[in-house]
Amino acid sequence: AQRVTQPEKLLSVFKGAPVELKCNYSYSGSPELFWYVQYSRQRLQLLLRHISRESIKGFTADLNKGETSFHLKKPFAQEEDSAMYYCALTNSGNTGKLIFGQGTTLQVKP
Amino acid sequence: KAGVTQTPRYLIKTRGQQVTLSCSPISGHRSVSWYQQTPGQGLQFLFEYFSETQRNKGNFPGRFSGRQFSNSRSEMNVSTLELGDSALYLCASSPRQGAGELFFGEGSRLTVL
Repeated sequence: AQRVTQPEKLLSVFKGAPVELKCNYSYSGSPELFWYVQYSRQRLQLLLRHISRESIKGFTADLNKGETSFHLKKPFAQEEDSAMYYCALTNSGNTGKLIFGQGTTLQVKP
Repeated sequence: KAGVTQTPRYLIKTRGQQVTLSCSPISGHRSVSWYQQTPGQGLQFLFEYFSETQRNKGNFPGRFSGRQFSNSRSEMNVSTLELGDSALYLCASSPRQGAGELFFGEGSRLTVL
């Protein structure tokens, strides 16, 4: 079954601390992985996708096919990073159907 | 460019009624998909439309339907509403079919009493 698991509902860190939001997936095929973010009172928006291999707002994510993981990392958290983060996958190039994880709320304390 | 626009933003219905939600995608975007968001189930895919054709459908009963018009605007309809249909319904658009890069609207919050 296709599934995305985000094991933490809430992750609370202090400003300046490293952040790692975990995402594991179950998928048979060639998935594309994404991280979406929703800041308070804003709409859900794309943060980054694995195929672009870029850093957005200091966040990076590496696809580990062996461990079927796509963890989101940032070396130094900022208060403005506080938001809800969703990991999602889709079948590469086939469909606009995204399978989302349950989301992790990141709380960055001053 | 204007973002994805969904109407109405809030609505209250009673069991057994039907509801139609509307979505206007970003100009130039031809793919529209719909998601249901609930506290228990999270974000679940409903369907995707491209060039007025349904390209994909999620695991929802036939009471959930949708369509897309020639100007790419989309509507979704839920008939015979149940209490469990209370949710935030999100529409997302993309410039092409099959893209995981979706641009979301603010959603239509449906409450079924």
